Amino acid sequence: SYVLTQPPSVSVAPGKTARITCGGNNIGAKSVHWYQQKPGQAPVLVISYDRDRPSGIPERISGSNSGNTATLTISRVEAGDEADYYCQVWDNSSDRVVFGGGTKLTVL
Amino acid sequence: QITLEESGPTLVKPTQTLALTCTFSGFSLSTRGVGVGWIRQSPGKALEWLALIYWDDDKRFSPSLKSRLTITRDTSKTQVVLTMTNMDPVDTATYYCARMNGFSYYFDSWGQGTLVTVSS
Repeated sequence: SYVLTQPPSVSVAPGKTARITCGGNNIGAKSVHWYQQKPGQAPVLVISYDRDRPSGIPERISGSNSGNTATLTISRVEAGDEADYYCQVWDNSSDRVVFGGGTKLTVL
Repeated sequence: QITLEESGPTLVKPTQTLALTCTFSGFSLSTRGVGVGWIRQSPGKALEWLALIYWDDDKRFSPSLKSRLTITRDTSKTQVVLTMTNMDPVDTATYYCARMNGFSYYFDSWGQGTLVTVSS
């Protein structure tokens, strides 16, 4: 079965850039989607199809995907960005949704 | 405006069957490409996908839970029901339903979730 691997935690100072990775076998051949989940809230889609931002998502949030790693990048990090972030793909071989283990972003 | 809302029991006993309802508005499950999925999250843990039902009544399930899950939609196509048999304390989680739109393979709208506790 397809596995997505994320670092459990990432810490960054305000105003700096946070990069959250999502590793998977040849993940560059898949479309990766990212969700932000703040405490006590439902997940919110922040990036679809590797790099597309839904309406209302700030341009500071961007995505990329190549090789075995997809990356969510948050520039000029703010306190309000502190949340858990999950990557997700559709695994064609098994016809199922796959989520990564999630990364807790801490703003120092 | 798209909304989804989960409803069902907050407490179930071990071995019982859980039935959760997702009531949605702002879109139709008759529209080609639309799907409604269920995702759960145990306390302090990651998201776990459970099941998905499409506009054409096609269904997909998590392989690890497939034997315990059923997903159906009502004829009005404004509700989706997930049932999970033989509940265990490890199934204690917040259960979310979410919309998958237009062959997109991602969930663009989510309900607020409902916490289900499994305990005797």
